[in-house]
Amino acid sequence: DVKVTQSSRYLVKRTGEKVFLECVQDMDHENMFWYRQDPGLGLRLIYFSYDVKMKEKGDIPEGYSVSREKKERFSLILESASTNQTSMYLCASSLTRTANTEAFFGQGTRLTVV
Amino acid sequence: AQSVTQLGSHVSVSEGALVLLRCNYSSSVPPYLFWYVQYPNQGLQLLLKYTTGATLVKGINGFEAEFKKSETSFHLTKPSAHMSDAAEYFCAVIDGNQFYFGTGTSLTVIP
Repeated sequence: DVKVTQSSRYLVKRTGEKVFLECVQDMDHENMFWYRQDPGLGLRLIYFSYDVKMKEKGDIPEGYSVSREKKERFSLILESASTNQTSMYLCASSLTRTANTEAFFGQGTRLTVV
Repeated sequence: AQSVTQLGSHVSVSEGALVLLRCNYSSSVPPYLFWYVQYPNQGLQLLLKYTTGATLVKGINGFEAEFKKSETSFHLTKPSAHMSDAAEYFCAVIDGNQFYFGTGTSLTVIP
């Protein structure tokens, strides 16, 4: 089974802090995604990557950046955390750009910015 | 761009009753469709998927969904609800390497 692991289940950070959310997948998937989930808004795509060192902006990239130095790891960075970034963050991976296969999700990180 | 609409953000059913969660999509190309379930404070887990072939797709936990091209629908059903089915359900479509999710339907099961 594919496993997508997010480094933290719960995080509390202070306004202005730089925050790193880490995600690792163990099945050699090319695609990796970061979403945030808020009540009533569903999942919104922040960034995605289809290869090492490649990244593409999603629908809501402002205030975030990403890093993909290795194929299995995709990091989400909040440059200066703000209270409106309090949310559930979900990492996902899928096989390739053309395979049209399902995404596999991590367990989520619930981030609170105070 | 693709879009997915889930009718009804909250659905309540009695234990043992039929579960019907609605999903409509817009797609100019043959769609690949998915249903995911999310339990509280968890990630999303794949319930079932439609890629090609048989339009009635069976998934885990007794769920199934039927792809109807003429109606651009992919509704999720389960004949008899169980308390453990209480969760959030998301319909999704893939286009290239991007997924498009509906806003979710929260299912409550009443004992």
